[in-house]
Amino acid sequence: QVQLVQSGAEVKKPGASVKVACKTSGYTFSNYDVSWVRQAPGQGLEWMGWISGYNGSATYAQKFQDRVTMTRDIVTRMAYLELRSLRFDDTALYYCARDVRGVSLETAAAYNYFDSWGQGTPIIVSS
Amino acid sequence: DIQMTQSPSYVSASVGDRVTLTCRASQYISTSLNWYQVKRGTAPNLLIYSASILQSGVPSRFSGSGSGTEFTLTISSLQPEDFAAYYCQQTYISPHKTFGGGTDVEI
Repeated sequence: QVQLVQSGAEVKKPGASVKVACKTSGYTFSNYDVSWVRQAPGQGLEWMGWISGYNGSATYAQKFQDRVTMTRDIVTRMAYLELRSLRFDDTALYYCARDVRGVSLETAAAYNYFDSWGQGTPIIVSS
Repeated sequence: DIQMTQSPSYVSASVGDRVTLTCRASQYISTSLNWYQVKRGTAPNLLIYSASILQSGVPSRFSGSGSGTEFTLTISSLQPEDFAAYYCQQTYISPHKTFGGGTDVEI
């Protein structure tokens, strides 16, 4: 079955960097993208960006454009999120998710959704 | 940037109630709209994709409808395990995949 397993919790000081790992299994890695989503305490879901499992190209939400890097290793089936210049408001639960895209054979309409998620990685930014 | 607005932000309901949640997009998104359920301490769970298609394994009491800019998620008979937060997500305005602010369904 499809599984995404993330690295453990981290505590960082403001200004530091953090790298979160997401180990995937149960599917052909290069056929799907991986998206990253975070949820701050008491807040909603926030999409951060996605990376192609096929060619490693990444697209970031404008808010994170200058502080985030997403990478992947096709051999180890891992995806990574690096966030730099951490601030207190980066304290959140960070998720990776399998990003499914395609076209319906029945309706010819495009679809795109996140069907499997990691367990989440708590990142705490504290002085 | 596209904005996704969910209403209400909070709904109080009882077991057996029919509950309807709304999601509005600030611009046209066809049927590129997904719904997720988030329970405290667990990862999000995909309920509906492409506005109305039930994800495999999701109970049939969940249904979705809408197109263009207005969408609804309906729970036909609320069960105790349905008390959670619900988020819509648009995937039409490529390459961004924006979530709405969420609706909390509580007793």
